[in-house]
Amino acid sequence: QSALTQPRSVSGSPGQSVTISCTGTSSDVGGYNYVSWYQQHPGKAPKLMIYDVSKRPSGVPDRFSGSKSGNTASLTISGLQAEDEADYYCCSYAGSYTLWVFGGGTKLTVL
Amino acid sequence: EVQLVESGGGLVQPGGSLRLSCAASGFTFSSYEMNWVRQAPGKGLEWVSYISSSGSTIYYADSVKGRFTISRDNAKNSLYLQMNSLRAEDTAVYYCGRSGSYYYFDYWGQGTLVTVSS
Repeated sequence: QSALTQPRSVSGSPGQSVTISCTGTSSDVGGYNYVSWYQQHPGKAPKLMIYDVSKRPSGVPDRFSGSKSGNTASLTISGLQAEDEADYYCCSYAGSYTLWVFGGGTKLTVL
Repeated sequence: EVQLVESGGGLVQPGGSLRLSCAASGFTFSSYEMNWVRQAPGKGLEWVSYISSSGSTIYYADSVKGRFTISRDNAKNSLYLQMNSLRAEDTAVYYCGRSGSYYYFDYWGQGTLVTVSS
């Protein structure tokens, strides 16, 4: 069982927006502004999409945005495109003992 | 271009050992903290181990503490993971990941598969 809770799957049509939630505790998501999100296509390495809750690395489209409220972080993808279909994982720093915890992953289907 | 290339995976019996390597290029390896993250078949990601840029600070997940050893050779631009007393539950693809300012992983390798089975 993963430390952070994500929905197993979400779906949306091209052009629509979807939001993926990531729920933790005050010891991880709620305690630090260090949530990151990763996109993983089948058989490929994960790719950083969002870091420090809402920052986008260079090259990541601005259709991807992140936010946090309390113990829940969210990844929103607007203007869905076929290539966005992938698994998405959240990750949070969890302090000097546990360090990093991941969510179980969410499969995004573009209908 | 940042490149991380893992090697050393394979099939090993329970209780056996394996050493993974990660060859880094395209950046100043000695300036970056590094990690190992694994993914069991059909499962999510799990952080395994961290090493600081100099190698002086090391952390492990509880699930591998006492059995795995992370190390690095900055002269060879390489990261290692020595895995001993392997268990079936260690079966996974092992990725090396570069730390971007400590709190996230900004580049990942393609992974190497470790299968622990008799």
